[in-house]
Amino acid sequence: DAKTTQPTSMDCAEGRAANLPCNHSTISGNEYVYWYRQIHSQGPQYIIHGLKNNETNEMASLIITEDRKSSTLILPHATLRDTAVYYCIVRGINTNAGKSTFGDGTTLTVKP
Amino acid sequence: KAGVTQTPRYLIKTRGQQVTLSCSPISGHRSVSWYQQTPGQGLQFLFEYFSETQRNKGNFPGRFSGRQFSNSRSEMNVSTLELGDSALYLCASSPGQGNTEAFFGQGTRLTVV
Repeated sequence: DAKTTQPTSMDCAEGRAANLPCNHSTISGNEYVYWYRQIHSQGPQYIIHGLKNNETNEMASLIITEDRKSSTLILPHATLRDTAVYYCIVRGINTNAGKSTFGDGTTLTVKP
Repeated sequence: KAGVTQTPRYLIKTRGQQVTLSCSPISGHRSVSWYQQTPGQGLQFLFEYFSETQRNKGNFPGRFSGRQFSNSRSEMNVSTLELGDSALYLCASSPGQGNTEAFFGQGTRLTVV
């Protein structure tokens, strides 16, 4: 699975959009981009995933660049409860969900 | 639909002892994976079980072992505990086939003293 690079930390004002970048320049054509988050001392929570098209669900939007070398997770209206560590993971189509390689993630702090 | 259940939530053990942690996956899920999370090493994959067979294994010593039962419930065992084994142990459940997301439990916080 391709390696990902994320900023160590980011701040965001409550109510504003939080844009979390992820670089995956070595991604191959059959690898998906997954995002999880982990609120302090809880298990990681799945957010969203995509292959090459932009995706949106009730939690967030995922924007993947045309060359697929980077992506951005967007939380449209961040709340204090969105403060967490956000992990960007790249996983092959044939790699089972149970075997994911987590990097250090981005610690997002939402401030009032 | 019930989520992933891990027991116990907290555990304190002494060096040299052994410990068994339990994970009940989401109903219908056949894959259970285990991860260790420490402040220094982050989230690290231990192993994955699918249909009672270990399908993938991370880079951990043989003191770490696991098994899966016919109802997909899984246990992991750590023998001869060391202080460095203190960590949050997380279990993840997934259908086991296809490119899907994994669902994590709340974890078991193990402290070795």
